[in-house]
Amino acid sequence: DVKVTQSSRYLVKRTGEKVFLECVQDMDHENMFWYRQDPGLGLRLIYFSYDVKMKEKGDIPEGYSVSREKKERFSLILESASTNQTSMYLCASRATGTGLNTEAFFGQGTRLTVV
Amino acid sequence: AQSVTQPDIHITVSEGASLELRCNYSYGATPYLFWYVQSPGQGLQLLLKYFSGDTLVQGIKGFEAEFKRSQSSFNLRKPSVHWSDAAEYFCAVGPYQAGTALIFGKGTTLSVSS
Repeated sequence: DVKVTQSSRYLVKRTGEKVFLECVQDMDHENMFWYRQDPGLGLRLIYFSYDVKMKEKGDIPEGYSVSREKKERFSLILESASTNQTSMYLCASRATGTGLNTEAFFGQGTRLTVV
Repeated sequence: AQSVTQPDIHITVSEGASLELRCNYSYGATPYLFWYVQSPGQGLQLLLKYFSGDTLVQGIKGFEAEFKRSQSSFNLRKPSVHWSDAAEYFCAVGPYQAGTALIFGKGTTLSVSS
């Protein structure tokens, strides 16, 4: 069974803290993604990575950075957490190539609250 | 610009009634199309996908969707809704190059009344 695992389901952090959200996939996918989900706004792409050490900005990268040192792991970093970063964060992975098996697989999500 | 529109923010359906959730997309090339479901506090689970071929695709949990190129639509249907179908549903479009991100609609919340 394919799996994307996010290290925490719930996190509470203080304003100004450095926050790490971790994501691991076991499908040997080249591509990994971080989305943010807020009510009424759907899923918005923060960053994605198409290879180890490679990254691309998504639609809302401000205030975030990412790290991909190994193929299976993709980390989202909030350098200095702010209350407007309180949200649900979803990690996903997707294979490279074309064809039928090109859906994205999602983790369970991390609900982050910044106080 | 590439986009996905789900016109209905919230729909309420009686248990046993039929369901149709609408999805329209704007995309310059041949898209891959997906429907995902999200139960409260959970990640997204794939319901079905369209790649090519038959424009009516079957998915899990009794769902189906029909791709209509002329209308740029990919509507999700179920003939008889169960209370457990209450969730949020997302339509997504992806490029032919699978290494890029899916673009999601803002979602439709389905409530099921008894």
